[in-house]
Amino acid sequence: GENVGLHLPTLSVQEGDNSIINCAYSNSASDYFIWYKQESGKGPQFIIDIRSNMDKRQGQRVTVLLNKTVKHLSLQIAATQPGDSAVYFCAEKENQGGKLIFGQGTELSVKP
Amino acid sequence: DTEVTQTPKHLVMGMTNKKSLKCEQHMGHRAMYWYKQKAKKPPELMFVYSYEKLSINESVPSRFSPECPNSSLLNLHLHALQPEDSALYLCASSPQTGASYEQYFGPGTRLTVT
Repeated sequence: GENVGLHLPTLSVQEGDNSIINCAYSNSASDYFIWYKQESGKGPQFIIDIRSNMDKRQGQRVTVLLNKTVKHLSLQIAATQPGDSAVYFCAEKENQGGKLIFGQGTELSVKP
Repeated sequence: DTEVTQTPKHLVMGMTNKKSLKCEQHMGHRAMYWYKQKAKKPPELMFVYSYEKLSINESVPSRFSPECPNSSLLNLHLHALQPEDSALYLCASSPQTGASYEQYFGPGTRLTVT
């Protein structure tokens, strides 16, 4: 399943399928990007990050892709599980200062 | 210890009350943050402390007053709040404020103003 930007805030996928969550960021000066997962009633939990000098980074079952040309970030989750159900936020950070700017979020729902 | 703790978990207060939210981390981080989050919305930055000094105030109303007593503790003092201030208040910390440092979030305090 695939979500595109802010227009599809909910993504529903079948257990075992791969998920792709997309994010368009706004600031070309941002040079650090993070994906967070937020489950109901909890604070955001770090998933994976990427610096602007990279275009791909892999973690356990997750991959982040960065396209600086079009200011686009995506999170791929392999073999999606019910425990992956949550809201996913991308966030961007400028090199200077401490501000982390969050995207609007995508709610991922995994059907068993 | 990679945990940020927040107390209380839930808080209900009237518009004339004074209360405080507390946040603690023991990761040796020198930057700490307060965020406000409404339901189904992203966290919004309120304050940033760097080396125990306030470095960013995102034009937050004065009824919210942050305090950083030491490098491990962050408080948010609340006074004369409005019902629209009801939200989840998140604390976060990071090694420093520069880029390439992820922020670790606490579980939040669910605040209801009546």
